[in-house]
Amino acid sequence: GENVEQHPSTLSVQEGDSAVIKCTYSDSASNYFPWYKQELGKRPQLIIDIRSNVGEKKDQRIAVTLNKTAKHFSLHITETQPEDSAVYFCAASLYGGATNKLIFGTGTLLAVQP
Amino acid sequence: DTAVSQTPKYLVTQMGNDKSIKCEQNLGHDTMYWYKQDSKKFLKIMFSYNNKELIINETVPNRFSPKSPDKAHLNLHINSLELGDSAVYFCASSPGGTLGANVLTFGAGSRLTVL
Repeated sequence: GENVEQHPSTLSVQEGDSAVIKCTYSDSASNYFPWYKQELGKRPQLIIDIRSNVGEKKDQRIAVTLNKTAKHFSLHITETQPEDSAVYFCAASLYGGATNKLIFGTGTLLAVQP
Repeated sequence: DTAVSQTPKYLVTQMGNDKSIKCEQNLGHDTMYWYKQDSKKFLKIMFSYNNKELIINETVPNRFSPKSPDKAHLNLHINSLELGDSAVYFCASSPGGTLGANVLTFGAGSRLTVL
C-alpha cells in the first residue's frame, strides 16, 4: 500500500522568511496530493492540492511542486506570517473512486517567530 | 451552520467502558470517514462508508464498530475501552464519484481520554 514520508517534523522560521516542507510517496499509481493545515486544537483543513497532470500549483503565498519521477512533492510558503504557525500534513492517493484511501504524512509543526 | 459536526467534543471515561461518538454532515457528500489522531499527531484512516456501505476497514480491532444509518450520518461505537484508545477521533466527508472523492472536510474532532 501507499506510504508517505514527510520532513522535517518541526520547522522554525522568522516572519517573512520562506518555509519548505517535503514529502515522498511510495506508490507510483498515486496521482492526487493534497496539503492540510491543522491549527492547534482545530480540525485539519485543505489548503492546496495538486494532481499528477501538473508539476506546480500556486495560490497566493503557497505553492506545491510535484516530481512524479522522483515521487516527491513539496509545499512552499513565502513571506511567512505568525498565523501560518500550525501542523501541516501532506497526503497521497489515487484520485477518484470511493475506495481510494488518502494516506497522510506524519506532519510538520511550523513555528513562525515574529 | 457546521458542515461536519461530531459529538461529543470531549469524552473522559474509564477503561472497560463502552462509548459512542456521533457524526453528521450537511454537505450532501456520499462518503464519510473516521480518522484517529494519536498523541504524536499521526492521522490514520479507520473506516470509510459510501452511501451507507462500508468500503474501507483498516485492520481496526473489532471493539470499534461504525454504523451509518444514512449517508449523512456515521457513528462510531467503541466497546471495552483501553488506554491506547485515547486519541482525537475525526469524522470527515467527501463528495462521491470520480470528482473530489478524496477531498476531505473534517469535523472538529472528539477527544477521547481513557483513564
